[in-house]
Amino acid sequence: AQTVTQSQPEMSVQEAETVTLSCTYDTSENNYYLFWYKQPPSRQMILVIRQEAYKQQNATENRFSVNFQKAAKSFSLKISDSQLGDTAMYFCAFTDHSGNTPLVFGKGTRLSVIA
Amino acid sequence: ETGVTQSPTHLIKTRGQQVTLRCSSQSGHNTVSWYQQALGQGPQFIFQYYREEENGRGNFPPRFSGLQFPNYSSELNVNALELDDSALYLCASSLRQGIQETQYFGPGTRLLVL
Repeated sequence: AQTVTQSQPEMSVQEAETVTLSCTYDTSENNYYLFWYKQPPSRQMILVIRQEAYKQQNATENRFSVNFQKAAKSFSLKISDSQLGDTAMYFCAFTDHSGNTPLVFGKGTRLSVIA
Repeated sequence: ETGVTQSPTHLIKTRGQQVTLRCSSQSGHNTVSWYQQALGQGPQFIFQYYREEENGRGNFPPRFSGLQFPNYSSELNVNALELDDSALYLCASSLRQGIQETQYFGPGTRLLVL
């Protein structure tokens, strides 16, 4: 069974600084998809970024980028120029190659951006 | 916004009662998944519906059941509520086209069982 581990329950960062959230996963699959979701206090889970395992290039979305290390089964999220609106729970998630199977989530990292 | 809505936003029930939670998917999305998120935890998969049929189930007892309707809405029903059923219930819709499609989440229903 696939598992996702987020080892940082809480993190904080100063506004405008950069922060990196860690995620590791365990799978025997070769093709799969990885995601970072953001859940602000309003509760709505919002997709931040996604990565296809067969793509070597790291995904980027504006201030958000990932460091995908397939051999190490590591998938970290870097947030540059942190903003107060980035304050939220961040969840790392995995799904297999079909993409239509359930998401497996980590326990989340609570990120606080401090003014 | 993701275009996925859920109702009600909050609900309080007592142990042993039954509850129905509702989700309205994005237009055209043929797949809906339901997740339970306990306080301080990541979401756990309950089940998935594809074209109105159950298409996968997580480690949840049969008293958790669901329906998906042709108009892209769906329901999660929980019978004989237990205290541990208190959680945030999330639905997520997606369009299955043979390739991976992103799941879009609703805002959730917060259920409290007393």
